[in-house]
Amino acid sequence: GENVEQHPSTLSVQEGDSAVIKCTYSDSASNYFPWYKQELGKGPQLIIDIRSNVGEKKDQRIAVTLNKTAKHFSLHITETQPEDSAVYFCAASIRNQGGKLIFGQGTELSVKP
Amino acid sequence: GAGVSQSPSNKVTEKGKDVELRCDPISGHTALYWYRQSLGQGLEFLIYFQGNSAPDKSGLPSDRFSAERTGGSVSTLTIQRTQQEDSAVYLCASSASMNSPLHFGNGTRLTVT
Repeated sequence: GENVEQHPSTLSVQEGDSAVIKCTYSDSASNYFPWYKQELGKGPQLIIDIRSNVGEKKDQRIAVTLNKTAKHFSLHITETQPEDSAVYFCAASIRNQGGKLIFGQGTELSVKP
Repeated sequence: GAGVSQSPSNKVTEKGKDVELRCDPISGHTALYWYRQSLGQGLEFLIYFQGNSAPDKSGLPSDRFSAERTGGSVSTLTIQRTQQEDSAVYLCASSASMNSPLHFGNGTRLTVT
């Protein structure tokens, strides 16, 4: 079955700097890759997702890139702000075949003012 | 609008007792998922319901765990004869279809003493 590896496990940046979180997946059939942000005591919230027919997607300060050949995808946050501090999870699934998401282990991002 | 609602938000139980955790998905969502999140860990898939299809139970860790979804809406996750290793946050998510993003509730924090 699918296995998703995520790194780093913790990341500390200064406000205004960029943050990059990377994930690899094992099942070449996976075609949907969402990223979730989880704040303390809350459930994960979807922040951006990408499907396998595109290589990059941007939404304001957030971007995701996908390399299907290498089976890895990355989250890029530019101009980080203290409110970006949270745990971020990547995930992968095979859409049209159940939608079961397999998650990475999470990255705890800390943005220092 | 209303999101995914889980109850109780916190549950403390004694080892060996049974517990029931409830999930109210977003109205009209056909897919419902249960995940488990141990302290500082990623999300572990437990079970997935899609419409009237047989549920995908491949993530349930033992036969002490079961779930049902009545009337295609509310779901209950039952853990029998709880063990200390069952202590975790149990997250429920729903999606409009198997191709739609998942929306998570805030989880039930289960503590087995």
